[in-house]
Amino acid sequence: GAGVSQSPRYKVAKRGQDVALRCDPISGHVSLFWYQQALGQGPEFLTYFQNEAQLDKSGLPSDRFFAERPEGSVSTLKIQRTQQEDSAVYLCASSSARDRVAGELFFGEGSRLTVL
Amino acid sequence: AQSVTQLGSHVSVSEGALGLLRCNYSSSVPPYLFWYVQYPNQGLQLLLKYTTGATLVKGINGFEAEFKKSETSFHLTKPSAHMSDAAEYFCAVSPYGNNRLAFGKGNQVVVIP
Repeated sequence: GAGVSQSPRYKVAKRGQDVALRCDPISGHVSLFWYQQALGQGPEFLTYFQNEAQLDKSGLPSDRFFAERPEGSVSTLKIQRTQQEDSAVYLCASSSARDRVAGELFFGEGSRLTVL
Repeated sequence: AQSVTQLGSHVSVSEGALGLLRCNYSSSVPPYLFWYVQYPNQGLQLLLKYTTGATLVKGINGFEAEFKKSETSFHLTKPSAHMSDAAEYFCAVSPYGNNRLAFGKGNQVVVIP
């Protein structure tokens, strides 16, 4: 498809397990974002890539969270030693615009993580 | 830092009636403002945005929003609600058009026949 694709759509993890969430942005989109959406809340910014460069990771809640985009296309968000408070929907968005231009963000459907 | 306030997590509107969702923001620099909609089992979609220029902006499906700097508001309206408008709506702000959006908590809209 032509939209942003995220996988898995649903993930159940036991506390302490590591998880990896994948995002396939729209082809050619320069900018890629990860957001975290807890139940009943709006999305909260986690991190931003421009091509393969991670320009902003100020929203990552702890050093257990790690994101990469090695070839400037697909991105992976990794969470190590998951905790119950990590349970949320993780949204990926991409944009053809570079930073400081209010381009439209195209969002994927999200990956819902439940930590037991 | 910028933030967004959306009051009332659940909002009901009668089909055919005027729909209004309130959004107030705080920003230390000129804001860019957005409304996104999320239909069930779909990703967030842009409804409309304000960057600069005309303060009344029109979006898809008959939605409008007006930027009022003096009131730090960006309320969303639709003259006549339709059943297909049932969804969750999020207001968001970014400073200087920086794409790191700060979202409100959202409004779940129910349209009553």
